Amino acid sequence: GAVVSQHPSWVICKSGTSVKIECRSLDFQATTMFWYRQFPKQSLMLMATSNEGSKATYEQGVEKDKFLINHASLTLSTLTVTSAHPEDSSFYICSAGVQGNYGYTFGSGTRLTVV
Amino acid sequence: AQSVTQLDSHVSVSEGTPVLLRCNYSSSYSPSLFWYVQHPNKGLQLLLKYTSAATLVKGINGFEAEFKKSETSFHLTKPSAHMSDAAEYFCVVSAPGGYNKLIFGAGTRLAVHP
Repeated sequence: GAVVSQHPSWVICKSGTSVKIECRSLDFQATTMFWYRQFPKQSLMLMATSNEGSKATYEQGVEKDKFLINHASLTLSTLTVTSAHPEDSSFYICSAGVQGNYGYTFGSGTRLTVV
Repeated sequence: AQSVTQLDSHVSVSEGTPVLLRCNYSSSYSPSLFWYVQHPNKGLQLLLKYTSAATLVKGINGFEAEFKKSETSFHLTKPSAHMSDAAEYFCVVSAPGGYNKLIFGAGTRLAVHP
């Protein structure tokens, strides 16, 4: 149980375009989801906390207008990288809080390459 | 404020020998602590977690960690390394209760040699 599905696993896009990444909790309801960014050989940096039905809470230094987060249902949160640039290339990972069993389950990540 | 420091960026062991990955934390209150493992280009898998219950926590794949408040440490150990243990390991701290954000350490890359 407690599976988080992240899609796509990898994506290549052109500079200036937008990319949407989906994070789904498959067998549980997730009121809270988190979005992380990971540069090569580095740790995970929290970008934002996504709460179902409300606005996301962004970490300091993260541009909310560039990284749009939507958490419209208890099983789906999306991250849209708008007007992507090569410096946005990174590994993005989501995680979800598991109700009834305090803990976090992570998606398998999305490798974004902007060319 | 909370933080976590992983004392070694790289650890190399021989197969069959013990593993020790060191982690120190800083927290203004009793924290929740986790160890996660990440294989290349993969998501994270929870190895074990401490949430103010037993100080010696046993996890999956033979890993365990001991919470030592006096030393503010939460080191990860395994008696005998396996080749499949080669990966990146993250020590993580969080405020207790609810779904608070996780603060990640810089990670320790474990290499296992035959």
